[in-house]
Amino acid sequence: GQNIDQPTEMTATEGAIVQINCTYQTSGFNGLFWYQQHAGEAPTFLSYNVLDGLEEKGRFSSFLSRSKGYSYLLLKELQMKDSASYLCAVRDSNYQLIWGAGTKLIIKP
Amino acid sequence: IAGITQAPTSQILAAGRRMTLRCTQDMRHNAMYWYRQDLGLGLRLIHYSNTAGTTGKGEVPDGYSVSRANTDDFPLTLASAVPSQTSVYFCASSDGERGEQFFGPGTRLTVL
Repeated sequence: GQNIDQPTEMTATEGAIVQINCTYQTSGFNGLFWYQQHAGEAPTFLSYNVLDGLEEKGRFSSFLSRSKGYSYLLLKELQMKDSASYLCAVRDSNYQLIWGAGTKLIIKP
Repeated sequence: IAGITQAPTSQILAAGRRMTLRCTQDMRHNAMYWYRQDLGLGLRLIHYSNTAGTTGKGEVPDGYSVSRANTDDFPLTLASAVPSQTSVYFCASSDGERGEQFFGPGTRLTVL
């Protein structure tokens, strides 16, 4: 079966750095996505990785290791507005997205 | 219209009733999707359409049907609603090599 695992909840302090991990087992791999979802809102795209390595975009970075079936999302200089759920999704051999349940990130002052 | 719109925003429905959730995009994306999102679970694909005139079943298609008569519209129909279909429903669209999906604002459906 196909499976995406990520922690259910994490807590971090404003101004700090947090790393959200995602491990996956899917039938094929055609890219990994990270989305942000604020409570009561739709998911919005954050990052995309298809090759191994780190992709940096401002305060957010995403890393991929295809051989380990592993990715992480790194958030720097945390702000209160970063309180949200972060969703990991893998595009499988059928080019459909398989979604993790999401990690709820709580930022404390 | 900018992006994807969904209607209604929320709905309370009696079990056994028929309901159509509407989704319209103005980005001329070929692919469109319907997901449901339940607490503690990831987004689950109900149905998808890779291009106008074609549809396919996702992970949880039972009790739902879709049509794709044109590029812009992708309605989702519940023929006879049941309480287990209480959920938040998201419509999404994508295009291009990367396949990044853009989401509508969602419909919160409660079946009693």
